[in-house]
Amino acid sequence: DIRMTQSPSSLSASVGDRVTISCQASQDINKYLNWYQQKPGKAPKLLIYDASNFETGVPSRFSGGGSGTDFTFTISSLQPEDFATYYCQQYDDFPLTFGQGTRLEIK
Amino acid sequence: QVQLVESGGGVVQPGRSLRLSCVTSGLIFSSYDMNWVRQAPGKGLEWVARISYDGSDKYYADSFKGRFTISRDDSKNTLYLQMNSLRAEDTAVYYCVRDQGRIFDYWGQGTLVTVSS
Repeated sequence: DIRMTQSPSSLSASVGDRVTISCQASQDINKYLNWYQQKPGKAPKLLIYDASNFETGVPSRFSGGGSGTDFTFTISSLQPEDFATYYCQQYDDFPLTFGQGTRLEIK
Repeated sequence: QVQLVESGGGVVQPGRSLRLSCVTSGLIFSSYDMNWVRQAPGKGLEWVARISYDGSDKYYADSFKGRFTISRDDSKNTLYLQMNSLRAEDTAVYYCVRDQGRIFDYWGQGTLVTVSS
């Protein structure tokens, strides 16, 4: 199975900050990586697919990059509605696997 | 708009069975691969199973092979998950998820399954 490791597991930041989350795959997954946002009590929401492509309607302050085994997810200027948990997910091979999540909290 | 509505969750005793349903609307259901993803209380996301658009291919995470069965009824625009031999560790919210090339673009609101005696 492909193991996805996110870092950090949690992060405290302020409105307006730039934050970056990392996701590392245990083997080469090309560009087959997605990022999701989940708010408490809600279903996850797709933000980024194919490592760097925006889902329709996603604000441009969100961005993704990387390929192979190392990926990043960046929020350029945090907004109040961005405080949530973020997950990466690989879809290069079955079983499809998620990172353990990064909880983004208000400082 | 696309809607996925899960049902069938509840409290069940260990060792018993439960069948989850996901009724879909706003999409051509028969054109899409579909998945179940679960989330234990306070934990992360875990992919459970996937079924191809025509039902010919099914994939499962190892933890669920032999116990869970994914299926679909295109005449009812409905996805199912039959769960047998349930364990306490199967307690989770189960999400129905539409799949576009293994990208999970639409999620239901989830249904909570609690396995407890």
